[in-house]
Amino acid sequence: QQPVQSPQAVILREGEDAVINCSSSKALYSVHWYRQKHGEAPIFLMILLKGGEQKGHDKISASFNEKKQQSSLYLTASQLSYSGTYFCGTERGTYKYIFGTGTRLKVLA
Amino acid sequence: SAVISQKPSRDICQRGTSLTIQCQVDSQVTMMFWYRQQPGQSLTLIATANQGSEATYESGFVIDKFPISRPNLTFSTLTVSNMSPEDSSIYLCSVDGDGYTDTQYFGPGTRLTVL
Repeated sequence: QQPVQSPQAVILREGEDAVINCSSSKALYSVHWYRQKHGEAPIFLMILLKGGEQKGHDKISASFNEKKQQSSLYLTASQLSYSGTYFCGTERGTYKYIFGTGTRLKVLA
Repeated sequence: SAVISQKPSRDICQRGTSLTIQCQVDSQVTMMFWYRQQPGQSLTLIATANQGSEATYESGFVIDKFPISRPNLTFSTLTVSNMSPEDSSIYLCSVDGDGYTDTQYFGPGTRLTVL
């Protein structure tokens, strides 16, 4: 089953913070986050591994709660370039990748 | 990360015809993946292509509709057969970033419109 993301969409002003959540009904062993701008391919942002390892990216960080089967992406001091659709993703078996429902984020000047 | 190209970048096709999408990677990779992204939706895995063996299809996707070739370690094709307007989507190929994590690196996609 596809991970569910919330919110579905968010609009914020430059400099504001945002949190995007990813919730799974099945166990998560790792979570990865992608951003896709309109008309472009998804771009890898970061991966969170079971055990707490997380790799940050500029002012974007993330957390991973294995017990709750949830991950959250934190965007700090948003920039115009952060606009796009964010997807979480995980692996359901060997080479079986599944992506979340997506969150559309728009940053206004 | 690998550099991935796809051809064509977009196409408009008639109902009942077939289109073959090519995916080229600048380095040798074991696994290649094909995804479909319907307008405004998330990415859905169609199949996994391993060089030298038949592709593995996800539930809801069948070889007769989406035949895949993987002739070598840098190239794959996806054919969308007997197309209908419901096949209008973006089709993306991807590869694993490395052998340790499940990071995916995507090609630019092929935007298909079926009339």
